[in-house]
Amino acid sequence: DAKTTQPNSMESNEEEPVHLPCNHSTISGTDYIHWYRQLPSQGPEYVIHGLTSNVNNRMASLAIAEDRKSSTLILHRATLRDAAVYYCILRDVNSGGSNYKLTFGKGTLLTVNP
Amino acid sequence: DAGVIQSPRHEVTEMGQEVTLRCKPISGHDYLFWYRQTMMRGLELLIYFNNNVPIDDSGMPEDRFSAKMPNASFSTLKIQPSEPRDSAVYFCASSPDPYNEQFFGPGTRLTVL
Repeated sequence: DAKTTQPNSMESNEEEPVHLPCNHSTISGTDYIHWYRQLPSQGPEYVIHGLTSNVNNRMASLAIAEDRKSSTLILHRATLRDAAVYYCILRDVNSGGSNYKLTFGKGTLLTVNP
Repeated sequence: DAGVIQSPRHEVTEMGQEVTLRCKPISGHDYLFWYRQTMMRGLELLIYFNNNVPIDDSGMPEDRFSAKMPNASFSTLKIQPSEPRDSAVYFCASSPDPYNEQFFGPGTRLTVL
């Protein structure tokens, strides 16, 4: 399985942008890049996903490098509620059943300072 | 929709006892997943179902664990007998299709003494 590498932790200040990096140098052409986050004492929740082009939704933006070997999750204005563990996950849509599951790494613990 | 519902939210039991965790997926979702989260191993998939049929149970740690989905709106994860090393948070998730987002429940925190 293609693996991802994320920093263990990052800090941000409230109302400032946050850029969470993810390296996936062995990504294959059919791997989608998914981001989930897990707030304290809650289950993971979906944030965003993309294949090649940058993506935006109400929660965040996903910037994907041209060679797809890295990506960045962007929170435009961090709030205290964004403090969570953020997981970058690769899913190969052509691998059938084996990739229906989400394979979570250790993720990045984001701390937001008031 | 109320989202994925799990019960109980907390369970404390003694070693050797049977434990049953319950999950109600979001209506219309054909895929149901059971995950376990521990400090040592992080989040790992135990088993998943498609249309009530178990598809991949390779993550089930041993025969003490079993999961069923008798209908589209209910699934159970049973541990018999339970051991202290089973202490973890167990999450249920559902999805309308296998490639888009999974919706997670709030989890059941299991403590086996």
